Amino acid sequence: ETGVTQSPTHLIKTRGQQVTLRCSSQSGHNTVSWYQQALGQGPQFIFQYYREEENGRGNFPPRFSGLQFPNYSSELNVNALELDDSALYLCASSSMGQAFEGANVLTFGAGSRLTVL
Amino acid sequence: GNSVTQMEGPVTLSEEAFLTINCTYTATGYPSLFWYVQYPGEGLQLLLKATKADDKGSNKGFEATYRKETTSFHLEKGSVQVSDSAVYFCALSGPDTGRRALTFGSGTRLQVQP
Repeated sequence: ETGVTQSPTHLIKTRGQQVTLRCSSQSGHNTVSWYQQALGQGPQFIFQYYREEENGRGNFPPRFSGLQFPNYSSELNVNALELDDSALYLCASSSMGQAFEGANVLTFGAGSRLTVL
Repeated sequence: GNSVTQMEGPVTLSEEAFLTINCTYTATGYPSLFWYVQYPGEGLQLLLKATKADDKGSNKGFEATYRKETTSFHLEKGSVQVSDSAVYFCALSGPDTGRRALTFGSGTRLQVQP
């Protein structure tokens, strides 16, 4: 089975610009979550998408938005980039409704590293 | 809110040494607990998990026991190898978020020397 793939792997933007990151979920998974991992920190939950709708959101401003497509792939969009948005953005897929012993097990991609100058 | 606290790294050990990485948590209700590992240039991989008190998760020689009374989930391995060098993250998912979100600790880097 294919894993989670993300693109691009690296990109550089300037402050104020907009960025779109893409994610293809693992085969058989119907839910996509996005996390932001700043350098030297643990990942922080941005939001989750299920059935093409946002299904939970962390403490991130509205300029962070997303989409999920009928094939369960997803995009993360960030508007008005700030220097603090520089981070590794991780996509993770899972299968809603197939929770294993009460735990929603995620499969992560390798991430997209965004640098904002 | 939920939070996870891990011991700071880096942790440097010789091959075949015993490993402990401490993890404590604060959560509402009864969370599920996880250890994830991140190798250089790769995404996070689930190492092990436990979903209720006194459960022991285990995988690849690593173990962790869900201790509700001490709100801890310490990671242990009896004999580490150079290939275990990576960053280890403790995480939880709580019923307050419908178990949709993982809350991670800040990670502990393990370096194993031959």
